[in-house]
Amino acid sequence: NAGVTQTPKFQVLKTGQSMTLQCAQDMNHEYMSWYRQDPGMGLRLIHYSVGAGITDQGEVPNGYNVSRSTTEDFPLRLLSAAPSQTSVYFCATRRTPPGVGDYGYTFGSGTRLTVV
Amino acid sequence: SQELEQSPQSLIVQEGKNLTINCTSSKTLYGLYWYKQKYGEGLIFLMMLQKGGEEKSHEKITAKLDEKKQQSSLHITASQPSHAGIYLCGADTGGFKTIFGAGTRLFVKA
Repeated sequence: NAGVTQTPKFQVLKTGQSMTLQCAQDMNHEYMSWYRQDPGMGLRLIHYSVGAGITDQGEVPNGYNVSRSTTEDFPLRLLSAAPSQTSVYFCATRRTPPGVGDYGYTFGSGTRLTVV
Repeated sequence: SQELEQSPQSLIVQEGKNLTINCTSSKTLYGLYWYKQKYGEGLIFLMMLQKGGEEKSHEKITAKLDEKKQQSSLHITASQPSHAGIYLCGADTGGFKTIFGAGTRLFVKA
């Protein structure tokens, strides 16, 4: 049982390049989300989805796009990478949306992205 | 907007000693999570608290949500090197969102 799989684990991009961070889960969780983790700032929510076809913005959505065509996958797209997007990105899933039931999040192992 | 403040930011303890980490919210907490992150890795779920006064334990780690539901504490008894890492608290804010604190870095000296 793989849980939440993020790929790639490491990536270096040049400013202006685009790329997609992949997140796949095999737990049939309704809720999926993307966070970025920066030193001293903790985890900040980028985008989230409560189910296939439904996405919404989090705290820091600018420069990122998401889509959710299946329950299993929730890719995060960087449209035109900037040095400010250098960060560690985590995908997190939950059986139900926050506020519904007492479930915890399952996190992927993260993607470390550097934009030069 | 709701904010979570964790204290201390970092902590160095001698193996075998007890320690407490605090998480204080600017608003009432309705769902409070504790996670542990090993350096350079993902986050591992420890426990979730929802009711004021609730207390849960996981091995030698105990977390409590105070009666007013604006602060949670995480207590580790007889710390071990395996407890080292970053401890993060998270809170549901409504609108299907969860925020996290900046984390407390714990170092355990053998």
